[in-house]
Amino acid sequence: EAQVTQNPRYLITVTGKKLTVTCSQNMNHEYMSWYRQDPGLGLRQIYYSMNVEVTDKGDVPEGYKVSRKEKRNFPLILESPSPNQTSLYFCASSMRPGQGGVSGYGYTFGSGTRLTVV
Amino acid sequence: QKEVEQDPGPLSVPEGAIVSLNCTYSNSAFQYFMWYRQYSRKGPELLMYTYSSGNKEDGRFTAQVDKSSKYISLFIRDSQPSDSATYLCAMRSTGFQKLVFGTGTRLLVSP
Repeated sequence: EAQVTQNPRYLITVTGKKLTVTCSQNMNHEYMSWYRQDPGLGLRQIYYSMNVEVTDKGDVPEGYKVSRKEKRNFPLILESPSPNQTSLYFCASSMRPGQGGVSGYGYTFGSGTRLTVV
Repeated sequence: QKEVEQDPGPLSVPEGAIVSLNCTYSNSAFQYFMWYRQYSRKGPELLMYTYSSGNKEDGRFTAQVDKSSKYISLFIRDSQPSDSATYLCAMRSTGFQKLVFGTGTRLLVSP
């Protein structure tokens, strides 16, 4: 089954304790992205990657890191989490635009990781 | 001003009603328009996608884009309780990787 898999689904941690949220896709997609979703603010992009070893900042990158060493994996790293990073996080992937016609412009999302930082 | 505006709702309708969900946007470079459905505790799933202006129909769902007014709509005919979810509009420019989302409209369809 074509999917984006995130782990863990739920995580409660303390301020300052480094954590990693893993993301893996099995669709051979070139593009991958991390979003956070907050009430009233919607989905905001944190970081994105257009291919292996190619990453760039989205709209809200402060406090996050990413890496893309393999095509299928795109982990999100919080080196020193703070309470304002409490949120619902989604990993997503897509084909390179144009590869799949109009549908190639849509992202496939994972099921989400609910992170609470206390 | 946000690039994409969407009424958060909730929108409550009885089963069988026709539902209209809408978004407005400000960036005239947007060419690709999508609607995602998000159930509680799940990730968004792609429901409909269209390119530029026009209509697209898929079963009970119809997506419309009016680029001259910078306005997009999703119509749901014969709404069902299983349609109860949050509906997110999303847009993307040619050559840009980023999807820009509306904040979502919560829809409740009562039996």
